Amino acid sequence: AQSVTQLGSHVSVSEGALVLLRCNYSSSVPPYLFWYVQYPNQGLQLLLKYTSAATLVKGINGFEAEFKKSETSFHLTKPSAHMSDAAEYFCAVSEGGTSYGKLTFGQGTILTVHP
Amino acid sequence: DAGITQSPRYKITETGRQVTLMCHQTWSHSYMFWYRQDLGHGLRLIYYSAAADITDKGEVPDGYVVSRSKTENFPLTLESATRSQTSVYFCASSVPTYEQYFGPGTRLTVT
Repeated sequence: AQSVTQLGSHVSVSEGALVLLRCNYSSSVPPYLFWYVQYPNQGLQLLLKYTSAATLVKGINGFEAEFKKSETSFHLTKPSAHMSDAAEYFCAVSEGGTSYGKLTFGQGTILTVHP
Repeated sequence: DAGITQSPRYKITETGRQVTLMCHQTWSHSYMFWYRQDLGHGLRLIYYSAAADITDKGEVPDGYVVSRSKTENFPLTLESATRSQTSVYFCASSVPTYEQYFGPGTRLTVT
């Protein structure tokens, strides 16, 4: 069975600082991995995805994530935080194939950006 | 409007009443999903559908019913609402490469 663990339910950074949100997964087959962002009172928006191509994936709004198979990790980073990055971030894994693309989500990490 | 929409956006109902949450997508995606989002639980899959007339249970299906007679619609019905079903409900649809696109959510309160 697939699962996702997001380390840290809350992360706080200063504007302009590095953002690092951690995600570890378990999967019995090569996974597809995703990061989503949720702004208050909105649905989830796809930030980026890994589907077995390049291990360093670039997404929207300057975010990127690196797939590390040996560490079963898919951490999300952004070199310089902006106030508008404040939101909740979800990591998700899919085993694809006959699982109908079902996603298993982590618990989420709330990112706070302070001036 | 193009995309995925949910209605109503907000709903208050009483315990024991039947409630139907609507989901409509304009992309003709085959796969559709219903999630509930609760503090401390993240998103949990209620039901999903691979195509019209094909549905299956997710992680937390009890108390919910779905149908999918048309590709674009995937309604979720609470047959007899309970307070534990107070939550935010999200509908999503999926492309073959598995990323899902989410609707704006329905905030349901059961009193």
